[in-house]
Amino acid sequence: GNSVTQMEGPVTLSEEAFLTINCTYTATGYPSLFWYVQYPGEGLQLLLKATKADDKGSNKGFEATYRKETTSFHLEKGSVQVSDSAVYFCALIPNPSGNTPLVFGKGTRLSVIA
Amino acid sequence: DVKVTQSSRYLVKRTGEKVFLECVQDMDHENMFWYRQDPGLGLRLIYFSYDVKMKEKGDIPEGYSVSREKKERFSLILESASTNQTSMYLCASSPAGGGGTDTQYFGPGTRLTVL
Repeated sequence: GNSVTQMEGPVTLSEEAFLTINCTYTATGYPSLFWYVQYPGEGLQLLLKATKADDKGSNKGFEATYRKETTSFHLEKGSVQVSDSAVYFCALIPNPSGNTPLVFGKGTRLSVIA
Repeated sequence: DVKVTQSSRYLVKRTGEKVFLECVQDMDHENMFWYRQDPGLGLRLIYFSYDVKMKEKGDIPEGYSVSREKKERFSLILESASTNQTSMYLCASSPAGGGGTDTQYFGPGTRLTVL
């Protein structure tokens, strides 16, 4: 089947620290991969995405590279800020050529302290 | 800017009540989705719809139904609310076609408490 596994949270970092949130996936097809972010009191919003192997998605200083050989899509940021405190969800669409819903990981809560 | 709105941010209902959660999107999207979000479980898909008057079951449809009479509106119905349906409910929409690269846009969520 199709599934996404994220590292357990919560993750607590000091401002300007390096961030990695691990994400691995299992998919029956050739999926598209996504990171969504949920700030406190809000719905989810797309952070970045990648649609084929070796693609790198990037936005707001965050990056993730689609690694087909390791079935991974780890999220990284070189220097986090307090405003990055949120819940981060890794997700995939198993069959991008059709209309199929996103499959989400369980989310990782990040807290950044000044 | 795409906007997905949900009828209430907070809702308190009693066990056995029929509950309607409304979602409206203003970008003429074909696809609409209902999820519930629970701590430690992430987002789970309840129902989705790819067109007016059509619906598909997601991973956890039991105890829920949906209605899509107009393209912009997708309603989630709890036929007889129970305490285990206390949760955050998130609605999302996305355009049709374009394969899996299309972004889903989410509403702010409705936090439902069933007493």
